[in-house]
Amino acid sequence: AQSVTQLGSHVSVSEGALVLLRCNYSSSVPPYLFWYVQYPNQGLQLLLKYTSAATLVKGINGFEAEFKKSETSFHLTKPSAHMSDAAEYFCAVSVPIGGSQGNLIFGKGTKLSVKP
Amino acid sequence: NAGVTQTPKFQVLKTGQSMTLQCAQDMNHNSMYWYRQDPGMGLRLIYYSASEGTTDKGEVPNGYNVSRLNKREFSLRLESAAPSQTSVYFCASKTSRASGGGETQYFGPGTRLLVL
Repeated sequence: AQSVTQLGSHVSVSEGALVLLRCNYSSSVPPYLFWYVQYPNQGLQLLLKYTSAATLVKGINGFEAEFKKSETSFHLTKPSAHMSDAAEYFCAVSVPIGGSQGNLIFGKGTKLSVKP
Repeated sequence: NAGVTQTPKFQVLKTGQSMTLQCAQDMNHNSMYWYRQDPGMGLRLIYYSASEGTTDKGEVPNGYNVSRLNKREFSLRLESAAPSQTSVYFCASKTSRASGGGETQYFGPGTRLLVL
């Protein structure tokens, strides 16, 4: 069965520092991987996704993620944190097997705080 | 183009009361989803509809029913609300292709439900 593990339920960084949010997945077939962001009291918004093209994926707001098959990882990074990046981030995996039609399985989320 | 809309935004129920959460999308998507979000649990799939006329159970379907009214609308019903159903409910939709899995799910703003 597919699963997603996000290491660290809370991450705190200083403004201008590197952001690194970790995601490891488990899948028996090549996965599709997603990062979503949720700002307070809002729905989820897609940051970026990996769909088996380039392994380094660039998303919105300066975020990027690298798919590493050998490490079963899809960590999210941003070189320089901004106060507006404070939000909760969710990693998700979708497996293209018929029947489930590519349903998403979410990690438990990582809340990012940015200190001035 | 409103995307995915949900009503109501907030609801308080007493144990045993019933209610229906409404979801509509204007993106001509085939697939629609209902999730619940609880602190520290990420998003969990309640029910989904891969296409108009079909519905299937997700990870946590007990206590819920759904109706895919037409291609645009997908409702979630709580027949007899329980305090354990206090949560934030999100509706999502996506297009579907035969290969499945890499399409983006678009989320509504959520319904906050409190069951006393």
